[in-house]
Amino acid sequence: GDSVTQMEGPVTLSEEAFLTINCTYTATGYPSLFWYVQYPGEGLQLLLKATKADDKGSNKGFEATYRKETTSFHLEKGSVQVSDSAVYFCALGDMRFGAGTRLTVKP
Amino acid sequence: NAGVTQTPKFQVLKTGQSMTLQCAQDMNHEYMSWYRQDPGMGLRLIHYSVGAGITDQGEVPNGYNVSRSTTEDFPLRLLSAAPSQTSVYFCASSPGPRYEQYFGPGTRLTVT
Repeated sequence: GDSVTQMEGPVTLSEEAFLTINCTYTATGYPSLFWYVQYPGEGLQLLLKATKADDKGSNKGFEATYRKETTSFHLEKGSVQVSDSAVYFCALGDMRFGAGTRLTVKP
Repeated sequence: NAGVTQTPKFQVLKTGQSMTLQCAQDMNHEYMSWYRQDPGMGLRLIHYSVGAGITDQGEVPNGYNVSRSTTEDFPLRLLSAAPSQTSVYFCASSPGPRYEQYFGPGTRLTVT
């Protein structure tokens, strides 16, 4: 069946460091792919999405590219801030989520 | 728009008690779903609905019931609470499978 494998954390970075969180998937067909972010004590909210191969989703300095050939959707940000500290989830369009990666950014 | 609302925010139950977690959305979304979030497990799908009158099981449905009599509401019923159901529960809605989901703020449930 469909599944999402996400790099597990926790990840701790210094401010302005480069961030990569790996996400790979197994799915039949060509699902939509999503990254969600969860701040402490809140529900999940959409960070970015891509609906077809080679699409690049971007938002708030975060980017991810839908790679069909490697079945991946890695999340990247060039320079993280303390305010980016949160849990990040990779997800398929059929309601399957990765385990989440907790990011802590230190000043 | 209020988006997706959930009540209550917190609940403590004793083993064997029953209760209903409420979820409502005002975006006229066809798809609604319930998840539980446990440390290290990510989000696991409990039940979902693709429209009024239509529900189906997700990954971890045992011990939970749902119904969808209206587009707006999708309550989750715990029939006989067990300590293993201690978790944070999220409701979400979406226009369809290729669209983003909109999440409620969650209900933190403790079963003693």
